[in-house]
Amino acid sequence: AQSVAQPEDQVNVAEGNPLTVKCTYSVSGNPYLFWYVQYPNRGLQFLLKYITGDNLVKGSYGFEAEFNKSQTSFHLKKPSALVSDSALYFCAVRADTGGFKTIFGAGTRLFVKA
Amino acid sequence: SQTIHQWPATLVQPVGSPLSLECTVEGTSNPNLYWYRQAAGRGLQLLFYSVGIGQISSEVPQNLSASRPQDRQFILSSKKLLLSDSGFYLCAWSVSGRGNIQYFGAGTRLSVL
Repeated sequence: AQSVAQPEDQVNVAEGNPLTVKCTYSVSGNPYLFWYVQYPNRGLQFLLKYITGDNLVKGSYGFEAEFNKSQTSFHLKKPSALVSDSALYFCAVRADTGGFKTIFGAGTRLFVKA
Repeated sequence: SQTIHQWPATLVQPVGSPLSLECTVEGTSNPNLYWYRQAAGRGLQLLFYSVGIGQISSEVPQNLSASRPQDRQFILSSKKLLLSDSGFYLCAWSVSGRGNIQYFGAGTRLSVL
């Protein structure tokens, strides 16, 4: 069975500091991994994905994520946080063995303080 | 370019009343379509998905149903709403293939009173 864990309900970081939002996954087969962001009362927006290839994936708004197969992790990072990055972040996984179901994590709320 | 429309944005309904939420996608053909519910601003619960007209898969047994009368139209319905149906409902679409990125509508905030 597929699953995604986001161990932190909330991450607090000061503006200008680096941020990390953690994600670990479990899937049968090779994973397709995603990060999405949600602003208040809006739908989710796609940030980045890992399918294959380079373990470091770059996405929108200066975000990047590193795929670590041995640790089954896909942590989201940004070198310098902005107040406008404050939002709810979701990690998601889908197996490459077919099927249409993508499993989303519970979400991590990011607060960036000025 | 592709767009997804979801309406209404907010809805207040009494317990026991019917429900119909509509989602349409433009700019793509034969999309995969999804209905999610998000409770209390946290995780997403997949309710239904569809890979084609008339093809609906239900993930969670409940008093909700879904239909896909046209290729790019996805409807979430209920005959009698419960208090527990309150939440934020999100429609999404994707195209089959590697990655299968999902693109979400703006959501409907449903309050059942």
